[in-house]
Amino acid sequence: KAGVTQTPRYLIKTRGQQVTLSCSPISGHRSVSWYQQTPGQGLQFLFEYFSETQRNKGNFPGRFSGRQFSNSRSEMNVSTLELGDSALYLCASSLNRGHGTEAFFGQGTRLTVV
Amino acid sequence: DQQVKQNSPSLSVQEGRISILNCDYTNSMFDYFLWYKKYPAEGPTFLISISSIKDKNEDGRFTVFLNKSAKHLSLHIVPSQPGDSAVYFCAAVRGSRLTFGEGTQLTVNP
Repeated sequence: KAGVTQTPRYLIKTRGQQVTLSCSPISGHRSVSWYQQTPGQGLQFLFEYFSETQRNKGNFPGRFSGRQFSNSRSEMNVSTLELGDSALYLCASSLNRGHGTEAFFGQGTRLTVV
Repeated sequence: DQQVKQNSPSLSVQEGRISILNCDYTNSMFDYFLWYKKYPAEGPTFLISISSIKDKNEDGRFTVFLNKSAKHLSLHIVPSQPGDSAVYFCAAVRGSRLTFGEGTQLTVNP
């Protein structure tokens, strides 16, 4: 079956702009989580969506938001981009909540803010 | 507050020898721990896990050890192979949230 698909793979934006990233989970998976990876910081948890509701949120400013659709696809939005938002954004899907061993990651979206 | 820490950003070992990757955590409420492996331009892939009630889990060349009193876990790879060269992340799970360490770049030299 198809894996987790993230689009676009690469993105270049200027400061002050906003960006929307997309994640299509594995078919049948209902939980989608988003992570930010920067050098030296590992993977920082952004938020988790399950059944179209945000269930969990990390320590990121309100400029970072997301949503999940009825087909479990998820989008992440970052408004008023800052240079420090340059990172690899990873999406992970799992069948249900609380199953970390079954979290499958997409290839990520590399965002560069200039 | 970094609840999961991997203090070694890089590790280099010779093919055939043992690789030991370390991870420390501060929250004793984590339910279980995972190791993920990541190649450049790919998302992390799950490697092995261990429940907080166990102290060892083995899967082929990979063994994870958990020392709860020291809040420390380690991943042993024996024997190491050049294809094991990647960034390894440890992660701790509580509920549905994964908290990752910073990662360790493992290089296995032929």
